[in-house]
Amino acid sequence: SAVISQKPSRDICQRGTSLTIQCQVDSQVTMMFWYRQQPGQSLTLIATANQGSEATYESGFVIDKFPISRPNLTFSTLTVSNMSPEDSSIYLCSAETGGNTIYFGEGSWLTVV
Amino acid sequence: AQTVTQSQPEMSVQEAETVTLSCTYDTSESNYYLFWYKQPPSRQMILVIRQEAYKQQNATENRFSVNFQKAAKSFSLKISDSQLGDTAMYFCAFLTSGTYKYIFGTGTRLKVLA
Repeated sequence: SAVISQKPSRDICQRGTSLTIQCQVDSQVTMMFWYRQQPGQSLTLIATANQGSEATYESGFVIDKFPISRPNLTFSTLTVSNMSPEDSSIYLCSAETGGNTIYFGEGSWLTVV
Repeated sequence: AQTVTQSQPEMSVQEAETVTLSCTYDTSESNYYLFWYKQPPSRQMILVIRQEAYKQQNATENRFSVNFQKAAKSFSLKISDSQLGDTAMYFCAFLTSGTYKYIFGTGTRLKVLA
């Protein structure tokens, strides 16, 4: 397993602003992922954060709205750009540490007003 | 495409009792993994238990065990001696071997009553 730290844990953001969420893993991992969990819903994969190359986005998610960085094997950021109330969600960072199993950070709860 | 179905949106159980959460999935793959994750009010998703499809033996982790029925595509979670700390949202998840696309169910909200 791995210890995955995310920050901020929660924030209240103004409409039209952007917020960057940071994710730190305590060991080097090949695969990191960003998920969105809208209120009362299941998890939806936003993108796979690839080290040294552009992230791979799922259908319905675009780089302009959710730019992702992955500068090394232990760190990634997700930016939620030009936020609207519909972006109010929990954003979860996860990492695959081996054994085809992913572990999650504590989540970042964003409320857009 | 793979799908994961959790047909019980909410359940409750008395402390110290046993409860079973249901999960069914649909796939044409033969090699895959199944998971149960727990999400307490703190929001962090915590891995509860994991099952490889090629293993016939059901996985167990302390008070948590699964009933994996491959032919029926069923993967239920049994929680024995339920504790108040087991109160959480439980998600069933599926992963095709060789990919990283996890498919999550819609979750079952479990409340353990004192």
